[in-house]
Amino acid sequence: GAVVSQHPSWVICKSGTSVKIECRSLDFQATTMFWYRQFPKQSLMLMATSNEGSKATYEQGVEKDKFLINHASLTLSTLTVTSAHPEDSSFYICSAKGSGGGKPYEQFFGPGTRLTVL
Amino acid sequence: GQNIDQPTEMTATEGAIVQINCTYQTSGFNGLFWYQQHAGEAPTFLSYNVLDGLEEKGRFSSFLSRSKGYSYLLLKELQMKDSASYLCAVREEGSYIPTFGRGTSLIVHP
Repeated sequence: GAVVSQHPSWVICKSGTSVKIECRSLDFQATTMFWYRQFPKQSLMLMATSNEGSKATYEQGVEKDKFLINHASLTLSTLTVTSAHPEDSSFYICSAKGSGGGKPYEQFFGPGTRLTVL
Repeated sequence: GQNIDQPTEMTATEGAIVQINCTYQTSGFNGLFWYQQHAGEAPTFLSYNVLDGLEEKGRFSSFLSRSKGYSYLLLKELQMKDSASYLCAVREEGSYIPTFGRGTSLIVHP
């Protein structure tokens, strides 16, 4: 099956620093990747949709200057949390949609990245 | 927009059967998903319903009634490893990405 990886799996940083999270599709080309955020005991909230070679589409209420998304290739999307603050501490999950084949509703989730901002 | 409602927490006994309900309101329905999520891990796909009726897959079954805006996930022969959060997600017409409910935390005890 399709595999999506994320790196790092967890990160602790100081307030004010920037953190980059990578999302890779390992065995398929992902034309579209999605970034979610999940607070404890809360639902997955879609932050943005990332299309290869174009600007990401952000959901309402998500600051695009704070959460920088780059989808430079068909297998890699990155999320950079700039000037992180403790309230940005969360579980960040990416998912990917394949470029061909597979079921039309399928999205493949990465294992998530736990961000803790001190 | 969508409004997805599911119980916050349920408990059940190993070997038993449990039904997790999900109700939703949407302007244009285009599919309902169930995912399993263990703590600290990404969701894993369990089922997808777009037509009314019951879909069975091993110990897990999912039911959908579009007219009632209602679905349930049925877990049979519960095992300890089934302790997890179960997320109901609904997709609207014209959208690829579903909206997730808050999830139901299922605790299976011996």
